[in-house]
Amino acid sequence: SQQGEEDPQALSIQEGENATMNCSYKTSINNLQWYRQNSGRGLVHLILIRSNEREKHSGRLRVTLDTSKKSSSLLITASRAADTASYFCATDTGAGSYQLTFGKGTKLSVIP
Amino acid sequence: NAGVTQTPKFQVLKTGQSMTLQCAQDMNHNSMYWYRQDPGMGLRLIYYSASEGTTDKGEVPNGYNVSRLNKREFSLRLESAAPSQTSVYFCASTSLGNTGELFFGEGSRLTVL
Repeated sequence: SQQGEEDPQALSIQEGENATMNCSYKTSINNLQWYRQNSGRGLVHLILIRSNEREKHSGRLRVTLDTSKKSSSLLITASRAADTASYFCATDTGAGSYQLTFGKGTKLSVIP
Repeated sequence: NAGVTQTPKFQVLKTGQSMTLQCAQDMNHNSMYWYRQDPGMGLRLIYYSASEGTTDKGEVPNGYNVSRLNKREFSLRLESAAPSQTSVYFCASTSLGNTGELFFGEGSRLTVL
């Protein structure tokens, strides 16, 4: 069953604008990760936030985690056309062997 | 480094045929995984191998078998393909020494007619 659910399913913005994607999950987690997938390609890891962290930055990416609400958000600032991709959250519940459960993804389109 | 390599990239099968998807990683990772990705469904775990010599079922294992041939290679076999197995299959790997981030292959697109 899906652990994470991203919102919105699709997002279209102009280049230079910020893009925010949300992820909600159901059970306690060890960490939450965000991945990016360009069309027809494999997933690429973007950022990991542990359950005891509230915010993390990496370049133009900012991730927040609210364990009380079981939710996370990914903010991409100053978006570029090259950011056009699908973004997935994945949760590690600590069941062992790093079994990640993925959400259904947010499809981001950045219009030049 | 090649990272995670999957073969074939594309395959068309008829119902009832069998085939094996191959995956190899050159990062000395302990754990390897097979996911399938269907439109609107995200990625679902089929099987995984926590370490060489072990394999375990994931969320959707029915109709599949796996073999962890050695530390580098993890194959996925469809014994009797069904149209419901039409999907894009992704192999991934990670190391227990990592923070749990997965490294993915480029995917194998399978169509079962």
